[in-house]
Amino acid sequence: SAVISQKPSRDICQRGTSLTIQCQVDSQVTMMFWYRQQPGQSLTLIATANQGSEATYESGFVIDKFPISRPNLTFSTLTVSNMSPEDSSIYLCSARLKLNYGYTFGSGTRLTVV
Amino acid sequence: KNEVEQSPQNLTAQEGEFITINCSYSVGISALHWLQQHPGGGIVSLFMLSSGKKKHGRLIATINIQEKHSSLHITASHPRDSAVYICAVRPRQGGSEKLVFGKGTKLTVNP
Repeated sequence: SAVISQKPSRDICQRGTSLTIQCQVDSQVTMMFWYRQQPGQSLTLIATANQGSEATYESGFVIDKFPISRPNLTFSTLTVSNMSPEDSSIYLCSARLKLNYGYTFGSGTRLTVV
Repeated sequence: KNEVEQSPQNLTAQEGEFITINCSYSVGISALHWLQQHPGGGIVSLFMLSSGKKKHGRLIATINIQEKHSSLHITASHPRDSAVYICAVRPRQGGSEKLVFGKGTKLTVNP
């Protein structure tokens, strides 16, 4: 089955700084997604990463805060900008597989902002 | 009201017990997924269902499209099954590829 390599797995960051999270998929995919999971909550979709063009953001999320790149079909990055303690969450990437249209998920990035 | 509701929210079992986690949804769907999330945060896809029943090892997932309900069963539960189990649906409307997630069921299996 497909594997997503997500880095870093965790980080502790100072407020006001930025962190970039990377995801690399080892199979052909159709779509890539970025999610946030706040403590005790379900996953919330931040945006759909589009290859070679601007990501499609969900209501409540903006490009200035969460810039996303997807330079090729199997690689994407999410940056959490100008961080505040409220950004402390798990961030996950996901991809929809071309083979069977199932979904695969990264191992998550546990972010703590102090 | 969330489009995907899971019950129970928390479940504690003794090793060897048969476990059932339920998921109800309110929209027409193309597929339903059962996911497993371990404490580190990573998620593993267990099943993708659009009808009937699927089995993998000690795990069984069923879905009733008419009743908009799915169940995940674990037979002969083991402490390594301790995790959060999440139900997610792909709504049929608009041909969306986005998933809508339940809040998860936290399972603890004691030895």
